[in-house]
Amino acid sequence: DADVTQTPRNRITKTGKRIMLECSQTKGHDRMYWYRQDPGLGLRLIYYSFDVKDINKGEISDGYSVSRQAQAKFSLSLESAIPNQTALYFCATSSFAGGGTQYFGPGTRLTVL
Amino acid sequence: KQEVTQIPAALSVPEGENLVLNCSFTDSAIYNLQWFRQDPGKGLTSLLLIQSSQREQTSGRLNASLDKSSGRSTLYIAASQPGDSATYLCAAHWDTSGTYKYIFGTGTRLKVLA
Repeated sequence: DADVTQTPRNRITKTGKRIMLECSQTKGHDRMYWYRQDPGLGLRLIYYSFDVKDINKGEISDGYSVSRQAQAKFSLSLESAIPNQTALYFCATSSFAGGGTQYFGPGTRLTVL
Repeated sequence: KQEVTQIPAALSVPEGENLVLNCSFTDSAIYNLQWFRQDPGKGLTSLLLIQSSQREQTSGRLNASLDKSSGRSTLYIAASQPGDSATYLCAAHWDTSGTYKYIFGTGTRLKVLA
């Protein structure tokens, strides 16, 4: 089984809809991250969490919110999706004790029409 | 402002060639730098992580170096194979006064020709 899983893997939705992307990990890591990847722009950090009670904005947090339900679960919400949020979304994990190596999930391809 | 740059954006080489991928970053107060591989439509696979106190890391045919003073990291791939064809990304981590930044380059798309 994969160490970092993301659901759904693909999602098509309409402008204005609320969308939640979920991430689970079995690596026992304390730190979790959400990124989006756009062609030509690389990956950009949306939110990160260093433990269950710690949530921090990344480079591009506007239009997104997150919830760290447990050490192993970190979800990303788009309250009112818009077309320029169409992208590939990745969840990642790391541990402070592990020196900071980040491990990525398989990604969620989101299309907002 | 911290930035990460990878040049070239794309590279084609014949099988068996040794090659070097480049990653440049602003702000030498880096915490660590990580190299990844990404296959089309797939997630990222971690290749090597270099801490700020290290000069290089090796794994099999891969060797990554870090020169903070010049703001550069290189990924050396020895005896390239068609299976090495992928996009290679570097990401630099800064953690200054409680401000965490993890910035990716836009990648080098490598094609190894059989």
